[in-house]
Amino acid sequence: EAGVTQSPTHLIKTRGQQATLRCSPISGHTSVYWYQQALGLGLQFLLWYDEGEERNRGNFPPRFSGRQFPNYSSELNVNALELEDSALYLCASSFTRVSYNEQFFGPGTRLTVL
Amino acid sequence: AQKVTQAQTEISVVEKEDVTLDCVYETRDTTYYLFWYKQPPSGELVFLIRRNSFDEQNEISGRYSWNFQKSTSSFNFTITASQVVDSAVYFCALSEGAGGTSYGKLTFGQGTILTVHP
Repeated sequence: EAGVTQSPTHLIKTRGQQATLRCSPISGHTSVYWYQQALGLGLQFLLWYDEGEERNRGNFPPRFSGRQFPNYSSELNVNALELEDSALYLCASSFTRVSYNEQFFGPGTRLTVL
Repeated sequence: AQKVTQAQTEISVVEKEDVTLDCVYETRDTTYYLFWYKQPPSGELVFLIRRNSFDEQNEISGRYSWNFQKSTSSFNFTITASQVVDSAVYFCALSEGAGGTSYGKLTFGQGTILTVHP
């Protein structure tokens, strides 16, 4: 069974540009989560989508947004990129929205903002 | 607010040594879930274990064991007879029950870098 997949693997952008990151969950999973892993800041929760709706978001500005498609895949958009947005962005999926379900992570997208 | 603390930033051991990774958590919920994940150099987080707040039974899985103690809000992880392949960053995480602003997210500790030398 295929795991969570993310694309692209690496993304290089310049300040002020927009970045789009993509995630495909494990087959049968309806919830998708996005996390940011920046150097020195650990893993920070960004967004949670379930059944096409945004269910929760972390402490990030509105220029971080996303959506979930009918096939449960998801997209994370980061507008007006800043240098501090450089990080590994991890996507995870879970079987349902309940808290006890473990989240399975993808390999991540390394975003570099120059 | 929920919080997870992994006080050990880095641990270095020699192969075959036992090593314990500490995790202390804070939450106001009575129902919560604790997790351990491993992040090898490849970067992908690998799920290791989940415990529920109402189940304090310790667990052993091969060389791995977990000690959950609600009285001290700790969920420690022990690797017995460590191997070089165990070298990775280990994260402890907390998830709270339904309702409230924390619902649906994992709150991670800062991670412990484990290096096992041959």
